[in-house]
Amino acid sequence: EIVVTQSPATLSVSPGDRATLSCRASQSLSNNLAWYQQRPGQPPRLLIYSASTRAIGVPARFSGSGSGTDFTLTITSLQSEDFAIYYCQQYNHWLTFGGGTKVEIK
Amino acid sequence: EVQLVESGGGLGRPGGSLRLSCAASGFVFSRYTMNWVRQAPGKGLELVASVSSGSSSIYYTESVKGRFTISRDNSNNSLYLQMDSLGAEDTAVYFCARNGVVGATQAFFFDSWGQGTLVTVSS
Repeated sequence: EIVVTQSPATLSVSPGDRATLSCRASQSLSNNLAWYQQRPGQPPRLLIYSASTRAIGVPARFSGSGSGTDFTLTITSLQSEDFAIYYCQQYNHWLTFGGGTKVEIK
Repeated sequence: EVQLVESGGGLGRPGGSLRLSCAASGFVFSRYTMNWVRQAPGKGLELVASVSSGSSSIYYTESVKGRFTISRDNSNNSLYLQMDSLGAEDTAVYFCARNGVVGATQAFFFDSWGQGTLVTVSS
């Protein structure tokens, strides 16, 4: 099973600042990686698939990059609604989710 | 607009059963692989079961094999999860989720999710 590790577990960021979230896989994923946002009490929301393709309706301040084993989700100019938990998920070898990164207000 | 609405959660007794349903609308349900993903309180996400568009291919996570059964009714745009021999470890919010599409090919990420239904297993 592919292990997907997200870091950091918690990221403290001020509104308006940039957040950089990391996702690392134990084997190469090519670009078969997705990112989700989950606000409290809500279902996950797809943000990014194919490592860098924004899903429909996702603001341009969200961007994904990387390939192989190292991936990054960048959120520029954090808005209040962006404080949430973010999960990455690989779908190159069946599928596994990372453990999540909580983005909190600094 | 894609809509997925789960129902059937609630309190289940250890060793008991529950049946979850997911009503789909806003897309051609019969064309998509559908999934149940769960989230235990304060924990991460776990794919529980998956069924292909025509039900020819079914997957279960190891911990539910032999206890849970996923099924679908394409004529009624509905997805189901029969949960038997419930244990405390099954306590979670259960989400119905649709496979995503890249180009013309479905892939195992999830582009649409229901609001979820809470299953609590307790005596």
